[in-house]
Amino acid sequence: QVQLQESGPGLVRPSETLSLTCSVSGASVRRYFWSWIRQSPGKGLEWIAYIYYSGNNIHYNPSLRSRVTISVDTSKNQLSLQMRSVTAADTAIYYCTGGVGAAGKFDHWGPGTRLTVSS
Amino acid sequence: EIVLTQSPGTLSLSPGERATFSCRASQSVGIRDLAWYQQKSGQAPRLLIYATSDRATGVPDRFSGSGSGTDFTLTISRLEPEDFAVYYCQQYGGSPMFSFGQGTKLEVK
Repeated sequence: QVQLQESGPGLVRPSETLSLTCSVSGASVRRYFWSWIRQSPGKGLEWIAYIYYSGNNIHYNPSLRSRVTISVDTSKNQLSLQMRSVTAADTAIYYCTGGVGAAGKFDHWGPGTRLTVSS
Repeated sequence: EIVLTQSPGTLSLSPGERATFSCRASQSVGIRDLAWYQQKSGQAPRLLIYATSDRATGVPDRFSGSGSGTDFTLTISRLEPEDFAVYYCQQYGGSPMFSFGQGTKLEVK
């Protein structure tokens, strides 16, 4: 059974860099495809970034591309997201997701980690 | 950019009734590239339907999906109490690579 668990700082100051981690159990980060998705009241569900490690395939939402980096750590079986120069608009719940088979679906979701950007 | 528009915004029905959710895309979406999710309050979304009409593992057969091109539908044949939630459609392969509709809230009448 695939399980995902996000972790993050909870509160970040404007202009700082956000780092999120997703611990994966029940699957190898080498073999699934992974995405980060966020949800805020103002913008609903917003896809942020995608990575397929085995295919060396990374994609970003154009609206966020200049500020985000997605990566996997195969030694720890973890997924990570770094977001630079955060603003209040980045306040949201951040979800780690995993998919298998057809690339276009998100089979597995973590419970989410809430992030607030505030001084 | 592919924009998904869901309707209605809110659907008020009673247990036992049939629910129909609409998802309209601003550009054509491949039938393999459309999925539906259910989200209950305080929880992460859950995959219900992928490739327009394939049910995800463990999803009851009262849930079904259909459509093509720019018009897609999720149907719940007979509502159970646990079905009251928010439903999202999602596309893959456009620009951005993935996008979601704004959601339809299914509430108890």
